[in-house]
Amino acid sequence: AQSVTQLDSQVPVFEEAPVELRCNYSSSVSVYLFWYVQYPNQGLQLLLKYLSGSTLVKGINGFEAEFNKSQTSFHLRKPSVHISDTAEYFCAVSETSYDKVIFGPGTSLSVIP
Amino acid sequence: GAVVSQHPSRVICKSGTSVKIECRSLDFQATTMFWYRQFPKQSLMLMATSNEGSKATYEQGVEKDKFLINHASLTLSTLTVTSAHPEDSSFYICSASPDRGYEQYFGPGTRLTVT
Repeated sequence: AQSVTQLDSQVPVFEEAPVELRCNYSSSVSVYLFWYVQYPNQGLQLLLKYLSGSTLVKGINGFEAEFNKSQTSFHLRKPSVHISDTAEYFCAVSETSYDKVIFGPGTSLSVIP
Repeated sequence: GAVVSQHPSRVICKSGTSVKIECRSLDFQATTMFWYRQFPKQSLMLMATSNEGSKATYEQGVEKDKFLINHASLTLSTLTVTSAHPEDSSFYICSASPDRGYEQYFGPGTRLTVT
């Protein structure tokens, strides 16, 4: 069975500072990996996804993530955060791109002015 | 791009009544749709997989008689919460994929409050 771990439940960071949100997964098969963002009282928005190919994936809003198969990680990074990045971030995994998605517990990113 | 809608966006109902939530794929056909539930400040938990023309597949611990899922067409899946109770209050989100090989797209969610 697949599972996703997000080690940091809350991450406070000052505006314009870099941030890394950590994600580790476990699966017995090859997986597809996703990062979603959720603003308060809203649905999910896909930030980026890894399906195959280059392990460095660039997404929207200046975010990027690197797939590391040996460490079963898919950490999300942004070199300079903005106040508007304050939101809940979910790492997710599926066995195929159209299969059910298993979500991690989420990381609450708070950007401090 | 692929768009998934949900209706209603917010609903308040009294305890003991039933409420139906619709999930529609607006510009594509979806053989399979998924229903998730999210409690406040928690992650999304998969409830069931909705298959067009057949019975839904429920995750362990989800009461199929309480959460009725109907996938009547390739663009519509409905979730009916029967005899709702305050503990059913939650944020319900659906997702769908245009076809095999495409990513899933999520709806905006439905906030259910049972009083």
